[in-house]
Amino acid sequence: EAQVTQNPRYLITVTGKKLTVTCSQNMNHEYMSWYRQDPGLGLRQIYYSMNVEVTDKGDVPEGYKVSRKEKRNFPLILESPSPNQTSLYFCASSSDRLPTYEQYFGPGTRLTVT
Amino acid sequence: AQSVTQPDIHITVSEGASLELRCNYSYGATPYLFWYVQSPGQGLQLLLKYFSGDTLVQGIKGFEAEFKRSQSSFNLRKPSVHWSDAAEYFCAVAGANNLFFGTGTRLTVIP
Repeated sequence: EAQVTQNPRYLITVTGKKLTVTCSQNMNHEYMSWYRQDPGLGLRQIYYSMNVEVTDKGDVPEGYKVSRKEKRNFPLILESPSPNQTSLYFCASSSDRLPTYEQYFGPGTRLTVT
Repeated sequence: AQSVTQPDIHITVSEGASLELRCNYSYGATPYLFWYVQSPGQGLQLLLKYFSGDTLVQGIKGFEAEFKRSQSSFNLRKPSVHWSDAAEYFCAVAGANNLFFGTGTRLTVIP
């Protein structure tokens, strides 16, 4: 089954404790992206990647890192999480190099930073 | 710069009634437009998309949307709402490297 998976689905952590949210897709997509969803703000892009070893900042990259060592994986790293990073996070992938076609979304990761 | 406005934060309709969710976009060129649905606790699922051609686009689950360039709108419609349509709906426009999403409209369906 074609899908985007994220782990963990739920995470509660404390300020400053490094964490990684994994994202994996099995559709051989080149484009992958991370979004955060906050009430009243919709989804905002954090980082994106057009191919292996190619990543770039989205609209809200501060406090986040990503890497793209393999085509299928695109982990999101929070080196020193803060409470304002409490949010719902979505990973997405697309078959096109540009996100002008359908993006497939993962189920989301709800992160709480205390 | 691209942007999307969904003026209705929350809409309540009766089951069986018709539905229209509004979306206005700002984009310099011909836009690529999308509607996504997010059911509670789920990720986003694509309902339909507009790239070019016929301005009335059919999607899944009985939804359709009409692109009106003169009004910069891409409203989502359904003739008869089912209880399972209760969800949050997002309109989006494609930029060069990402999708720009509206803030969403939450749909409540009452029996």
